[in-house]
Amino acid sequence: GAVVSQHPSWVICKSGTSVKIECRSLDFQATTMFWYRQFPKQSLMLMATSNEGSKATYEQGVEKDKFLINHASLTLSTLTVTSAHPEDSSFYICSASRGFAGELFFGEGSRLTVL
Amino acid sequence: GENVEQHPSTLSVQEGDSAVIKCTYSDSASNYFPWYKQELGKRPQLIIDIRSNVGEKKDQRIAVTLNKTAKHFSLHITETQPEDSAVYFCAARADFGNEKLTFGTGTRLTIIP
Repeated sequence: GAVVSQHPSWVICKSGTSVKIECRSLDFQATTMFWYRQFPKQSLMLMATSNEGSKATYEQGVEKDKFLINHASLTLSTLTVTSAHPEDSSFYICSASRGFAGELFFGEGSRLTVL
Repeated sequence: GENVEQHPSTLSVQEGDSAVIKCTYSDSASNYFPWYKQELGKRPQLIIDIRSNVGEKKDQRIAVTLNKTAKHFSLHITETQPEDSAVYFCAARADFGNEKLTFGTGTRLTIIP
């Protein structure tokens, strides 16, 4: 199956700093990638849809100035958590589908801990 | 937008018995319904999916049924094994527009040896 790789797998940062998470589709081109956030023992909540070459579409309640998404190429999308605070600590997972209406492939996830 | 409800939130089953997890969705435009298995700290893994033109799909011990009229779909795992213990999520998507996948709340399945 298609491979989606995410980096870093875990990161610890101080409150107020920014953290960048990368999501790459390794063997296919993804015009659209999705960023999810998952708190402990909860479901995956869609944060935003990342579109190559255009602005991301954010879900209601997600601050676009805090969670910066850049989809600069067909194989790379980045999520930057700006001025991170302890409440931003979570498991962030990206996903991408190969082709329209295809199976969704997930990255390994990035566990962010803000001290 | 789409809303997916999932029941039960936890399920304990004796090894060898069957497990059933049920989901309902709200958007009649949804036509793709995958099921994911997620182990602790890992990414969700697709275990089976079904599209709206099919009422049932089976893959070895796993089956999914879909009732589009009632807007509900179910996951059936037969002959359960300890390695089936995990959190299972259902999801729904309308295959047009931006292809957003909406997840259910999850079911923690524990297989008792």
